Amino acid sequence: AQKVTQAQTEISVVEKEDVTLDCVYETRDTTYYLFWYKQPPSGELVFLIRRNSFDEQNEISGRYSWNFQKSTSSFNFTITASQVVDSAVYFCALSEALGTSYDKVIFGPGTSLSVIP
Amino acid sequence: GAVVSQHPSWVICKSGTSVKIECRSLDFQATTMFWYRQFPKQSLMLMATSNEGSKATYEQGVEKDKFLINHASLTLSTLTVTSAHPEDSSFYICSADGTSGATDTQYFGPGTRLTVL
Repeated sequence: AQKVTQAQTEISVVEKEDVTLDCVYETRDTTYYLFWYKQPPSGELVFLIRRNSFDEQNEISGRYSWNFQKSTSSFNFTITASQVVDSAVYFCALSEALGTSYDKVIFGPGTSLSVIP
Repeated sequence: GAVVSQHPSWVICKSGTSVKIECRSLDFQATTMFWYRQFPKQSLMLMATSNEGSKATYEQGVEKDKFLINHASLTLSTLTVTSAHPEDSSFYICSADGTSGATDTQYFGPGTRLTVL
């Protein structure tokens, strides 16, 4: 069965600090996708990244970076030099692949990040 | 980029009435759409998978007679909450699988906030 764990329920950091959000997943499939989404107070999900299980390269996008470690089933997300606008709930999610299509996306419980000015 | 819309964005209704929520993929065809529910300060929970032209697949614990899903076309899925009660008040989010078209990911709608009085 699929499962996504985000051990950090809430995190508070001071602006300009770096922060890492942890994500650990469980799946029996060898082909799957991992995602990170941001949900600001408005509620609309903002897609941040998708990574397939065969691509373990770390990725950097501006102040965001992701570390995918298949050996530990982790897909951690780091925000460098955090800003107040980064305050939101962040969800890690997992989807197993069905051929060329996606299966349902299973979300972790989310981590609420507060960046204090 | 691909866009998924939901209508209405919010709705308030009296207990016992039915409410219909629409989910549209605006610039791609979606064979599969998903419906999620999110209670305050909680994660997104998948309710059902909607396939165009066939019956929806409901997750365990979701009443199919209460949450009617219709996916009549490749761009529209509807969720009808029948005989709504206050405990049905929630944030409902749909997503569409874009792998059948030019896109290759899953897109989320902006959500519909339902309040049942």
